[in-house]
Amino acid sequence: DTAVSQTPKYLVTQMGNDKSIKCEQNLGHDTMYWYKQDSKKFLKIMFSYNNKELIINETVPNRFSPKSPDKAHLNLHINSLELGDSAVYFCASSRVSGIQYEQFFGPGTRLTVL
Amino acid sequence: AQSVAQPEDQVNVAEGNPLTVKCTYSVSGNPYLFWYVQYPNRGLQFLLKYITGDNLVKGSYGFEAEFNKSQTSFHLKKPSALVSDSALYFCAVRDQISSGSARQLTFGSGTQLTVLP
Repeated sequence: DTAVSQTPKYLVTQMGNDKSIKCEQNLGHDTMYWYKQDSKKFLKIMFSYNNKELIINETVPNRFSPKSPDKAHLNLHINSLELGDSAVYFCASSRVSGIQYEQFFGPGTRLTVL
Repeated sequence: AQSVAQPEDQVNVAEGNPLTVKCTYSVSGNPYLFWYVQYPNRGLQFLLKYITGDNLVKGSYGFEAEFNKSQTSFHLKKPSALVSDSALYFCAVRDQISSGSARQLTFGSGTQLTVLP
């Protein structure tokens, strides 16, 4: 009965590869997010998405793209992986698009680029 | 632009003593404020939030936070710390009146709380 799940938990890959991380939420939320947490534990929003609006943090390289097949899923695709992409990536969701609502986070995906 | 500052990277407190984790914020309008906790190798968990109303907000696991508009602060507190409270704590803010990317949540840099037995 996991609320927000991510797969895989660990991802090790070579520089230049293309990879995807999947996220699913069973909370009935309308808005989903992707965050990047670096080695110093600093947390940065990458995307927020609902069925009406995709908001992209302007610092995110266009090698990163979110794909949402339906309201319960928001996958993260990364092209041409670079060493600096190594981090923990968290998916999150929240009720509708109301900004007063708290977010529920997945367990994270630790990406290591060699 | 909105921002959050957590001035202490590390806070150590003895078990049973009160704890405070500091947070100050900056927004253009009125803030929505949140505290999250992250245990090792886990995702963030929501603790509490301030939306409007009473300045003292009570949350999960006995934590509370006090919203102080004049000092633009939202410090997290607990009267009696437990060893199991040891974790990384994040304060977050968003402006109530904002659009586009400003509607997204901005997190502080995190404070590592260690409760010593």
